[in-house]
Amino acid sequence: GNSVTQMEGPVTLSEEAFLTINCTYTATGYPSLFWYVQYPGEGLQLLLKATKADDKGSNKGFEATYRKETTSFHLEKGSVQVSDSAVYFCALSDLGSARQLTFGSGTQLTVLP
Amino acid sequence: SQTIHQWPATLVQPVGSPLSLECTVEGTSNPNLYWYRQAAGRGLQLLFYSVGIGQISSEVPQNLSASRPQDRQFILSSKKLLLSDSGFYLCAWAQGSEGTQYFGPGTRLLVL
Repeated sequence: GNSVTQMEGPVTLSEEAFLTINCTYTATGYPSLFWYVQYPGEGLQLLLKATKADDKGSNKGFEATYRKETTSFHLEKGSVQVSDSAVYFCALSDLGSARQLTFGSGTQLTVLP
Repeated sequence: SQTIHQWPATLVQPVGSPLSLECTVEGTSNPNLYWYRQAAGRGLQLLFYSVGIGQISSEVPQNLSASRPQDRQFILSSKKLLLSDSGFYLCAWAQGSEGTQYFGPGTRLLVL
């Protein structure tokens, strides 16, 4: 079956530091890949997505590239801000009619001023 | 544009009491709908999904049930709550081929 493995947290960085959160996946076929962000007490928000190999998703300074050869979708940001503190979830969408998402366990990011 | 609503936002219920959480979607038709639970400090667990009115698939056997009485309404219910039912319940909708899901604001349930 499908699975997503992401970097264990928590991750603590200083403001303006470089961020990488690793995500690898196992899936049959060619799933779509997603990063979601959850701020404290809120639901999940779509951060970015990629639907085919070598696609790069980007939003709010975050980027992730769909790497089929390494089955990875690592999240990066060149300079984090305090407001980026949140939990980040990597996910993949299966190809069935229900389009279920398989989520990673989430990575808590704290950015200190 | 599409919006998704959940209510109530917060709920405190005694063990053994019934539960009804509601989710509605506006601005789209025939969406796929999903219920997730997120325990404190944990990831997301898919509970139910629905691809159409009256069509419910359960992912985890438990004392919860779901119903979809209208195209854009998804209800999560229980006849008798357990302590272990406490958590953050999220509803989501999706449409289209690449599977992007859009989440509601969530309901925080505390069972005492």
